[in-house]
Parts: sequence; structure tokens; C-alpha cells
Amino acid sequence: AQTVTQSQPEMSVQEAETVTLSCTYDTSENNYYLFWYKQPPSRQMILVIRQEAYKQQNATENRFSVNFQKAAKSFSLKISDSQLGDTAMYFCASHSGGGADGLTFGKGTHLIIQP
Amino acid sequence: EAGVAQSPRYKIIEKRQSVAFWCNPISGHATLYWYQQILGQGPKLLIQFQNNGVVDDSQLPKDRFSAERLKGVDSTLKIQPAKLEDSAVYLCASRGGNQETQYFGPGTRLLVL
Repeated sequence: AQTVTQSQPEMSVQEAETVTLSCTYDTSENNYYLFWYKQPPSRQMILVIRQEAYKQQNATENRFSVNFQKAAKSFSLKISDSQLGDTAMYFCASHSGGGADGLTFGKGTHLIIQP
Repeated sequence: EAGVAQSPRYKIIEKRQSVAFWCNPISGHATLYWYQQILGQGPKLLIQFQNNGVVDDSQLPKDRFSAERLKGVDSTLKIQPAKLEDSAVYLCASRGGNQETQYFGPGTRLLVL
């Protein structure tokens, strides 16, 4: 079974600052996928960024990037030049490759961007 | 491209009543998931379908929860009878065959009194 741990229940930063959200996971699989999802107050879950475990290069999507440390089982999300619209719950999630690929989520981090 | 549709958006019922939620995935997506998100927690997978077959229902409380996807398109999740602890948001997600990304619907917020 996979587990995902997010140790920061809430974070608050000023607009335009850089913020890093932490995530650790545990899995016995060799092939797995890691995700960061954003859930704004409207509650629609949106994919932020995705990382395949077999790829060593850290994924980036515009202002969003990850620091994937496979040996440490760590998968942090960095948001650069934070914007008010980044205020949301952020969930780290994983699944193993293969047919049964339902996501295992962490408890989430509530990120607040202050004007 | 239309997203994942869910209805109703909100539902309030008394304990021991039954309730059903409906999900229509993104067109062409063969894989469909139901998640339960209790307030303050991350979503938890209840069941995964591939077309009209069940792939994983290991976390579905089968004494009261049931789900079906008879024609391999839309799906229904039912709770009968409901308990207070079933109060949660029920999220539906779908995934296309060549993708790893799951796309989520807006969810159904259930309150059991």
C-alpha cells in the first residue's frame, strides 16, 4: 500500500514570493507516478504537475516545479512568483503503474497568498 | 471539450435514508473513479471502473455502498442506508487510455443529518 504525507497543514506567503510545499511518500513499487493537485474554494480538483518516477529530470510547468528526491521519497512543489489565484488546497498524490491506478492522496496543505 | 459532470451538486438527507450520485465522464474516457473526501482530508478512492468492469473496489464499504457503470459511460454511486459519517464530498474522475492524468468533476456535497 502507498502512503502520502503532507506535514504542512497551512502556509501563508506574500504575493510574488516563492513558496515550497513538502510531500513525502512511501511505496514498494518500482514504477509509480506522483502528482500535485490544486483544489480552489470551488472544489474542482485541477492537476498542477506530474512526475514519472523513472524520469530523473524534475518536472516543470511555468511557475510550478518539483524537487523529486527518489531515494528520500520526497516530492516537493515550488511555486515561483506566487499569485492571489494560487490560494487553494494543494494535494500531493501518487499511484503505481498498472491497471489499479486510483490515487492515494495526502491530507493537503492550505496555501494562502496574501496581497 | 466538456469536463466531468456530476449531479446533484448538493444533497441533504436523514440518516438511514438512501441517496444516489451520478457521474458522466469526459467523452471517450474508459476509466472512471469515485472518491470520498471528508472535510479536512484528502480524497480516498472508493472504486475504479475500466469500461463497465470493476478494477478496484477494495476500499468501498460494500455493506452500504454500491456503484455501477452498466454501459461503460456514466456511473451511479449509491449509499443505502446512509450514516452520519458518510457526510463528505463525493468526487468523480475519469482518465483517457493514453493519459496518466485524472480529470475531476465538481463533486457532490452530501450532508447526513
